[in-house]
Amino acid sequence: EVQLLESGGGFVQPGGSLRLSCAASGYPFTNSAMSWVRQAPGKGLECVSVISGSSIGTTSYADSVKGRFTISRDNSKNTLSLQMNSLRAEDTAVYYCAKVRSGDYDAFDMWGQGTMVTVSS
Amino acid sequence: DIVMTQSPGSLAVSLGERATINCKSSQSVLYSSNNKNCLAWYQQKPGQPPKLLIYWASTRESGVPDRFSGSGSGTDFTLTISSLQAEDVANYYCQQYYGSPRTFGQGTKVEIK
Repeated sequence: EVQLLESGGGFVQPGGSLRLSCAASGYPFTNSAMSWVRQAPGKGLECVSVISGSSIGTTSYADSVKGRFTISRDNSKNTLSLQMNSLRAEDTAVYYCAKVRSGDYDAFDMWGQGTMVTVSS
Repeated sequence: DIVMTQSPGSLAVSLGERATINCKSSQSVLYSSNNKNCLAWYQQKPGQPPKLLIYWASTRESGVPDRFSGSGSGTDFTLTISSLQAEDVANYYCQQYYGSPRTFGQGTKVEIK
């Protein structure tokens, strides 16, 4: 069974940092592109970042987080990470880890349950 | 960035009736290499993560009831629920995966009339 389990969320002051992790199991993690998608309270979905499944690990970011967030993966540990720096109030959201169905350009076929990040003074 | 615009923002449909949600992209999401549209539909119920319903604009994900169907090409797409069931009450989102960043529509809330 495919499982994605996020961790690392919490409460942080503006300007602070947080590192999210996503533990993947039940499928060949190395071959799959992965993404972080967030959802602010009562709002819609925003794709924050995507990392390819190749060994090169090509990355892309939403403009709203570019230069502040860094996505990475450890294929030896089947783990996806999101390093979030210079956090702002508008980064407050549930952060979901999602698996790309096939290749680098495809839908997100599996999602974790999410981890809440609250940025507030 | 490719902007995805959904309509309506919400709709109320009687049980057993048809529900139709529209999604328009600011540019074509047709991938020339396979002649498929990079468009997905998701269902999200309160307190749950999104669930993939449709990909490549019209391919139903495994396990998704056949009352859900997707259509359209280029820039205009539709999600149809042919006979609304009580368990279909949810928010629905379209998403393009043609360009980076992947972008979602703002969502459509489906309720029972």
